[in-house]
Amino acid sequence: EAQVTQNPRYLITVTGKKLTVTCSQNMNHEYMSWYRQDPGLGLRQIYYSMNVEVTDKGDVPEGYKVSRKEKRNFPLILESPSPNQTSLYFCASSLYSGGAGNEQFFGPGTRLTVL
Amino acid sequence: QKEVEQNSGPLSVPEGAIASLNCTYSDRGSQSFFWYRQYSGKSPELIMFIYSNGDKEDGRFTAQLNKASQYVSLLIRDSQPSDSATYLCAVKPQEYSTLTFGKGTMLLVSP
Repeated sequence: EAQVTQNPRYLITVTGKKLTVTCSQNMNHEYMSWYRQDPGLGLRQIYYSMNVEVTDKGDVPEGYKVSRKEKRNFPLILESPSPNQTSLYFCASSLYSGGAGNEQFFGPGTRLTVL
Repeated sequence: QKEVEQNSGPLSVPEGAIASLNCTYSDRGSQSFFWYRQYSGKSPELIMFIYSNGDKEDGRFTAQLNKASQYVSLLIRDSQPSDSATYLCAVKPQEYSTLTFGKGTMLLVSP
């Protein structure tokens, strides 16, 4: 089944404890992206990747890191989480970044709480 | 600054009615426009996309695009309670660019 998977789905952690949220897709997509979703603020892009070893900042990259060593994986790293990073996180992928109608497929989401 | 604006709602319609969801965008050169549906606590799923002026129909859904007015809408005919969700408008400003999402409109369809 074609899908985007994220792990963990739920995570409660404490301020300053490094964590990684994994994202994997099995559709051979070139483009992958991380979003956070907060009430009243909508979906905001954190980082994106056009292809392996190519990453760039989105609208809210502060406090986050990413890497794209393999085409299928795009982990999100919080080196020192803070309470303002409590949010619902989505990973998404699409075949390419360009082209009209290039659908983004979303993972199931990771609900992160930082105490 | 790329902006995509949607009325937050909720938009309440009775079952069987037509629901009309609207979206405006700031970048006049925007190329592609997407409508996603998101149920509470779930991930967004694509309903349809449009990139040419005019209407595009898919089942009960019709997307309408007017680039001159920088306006895109989604019509849902014969609305069902299962259509109750938040609808996200997303815009691709250029061909090789990322999506910018609006904050979404909540739709409530009452039986």
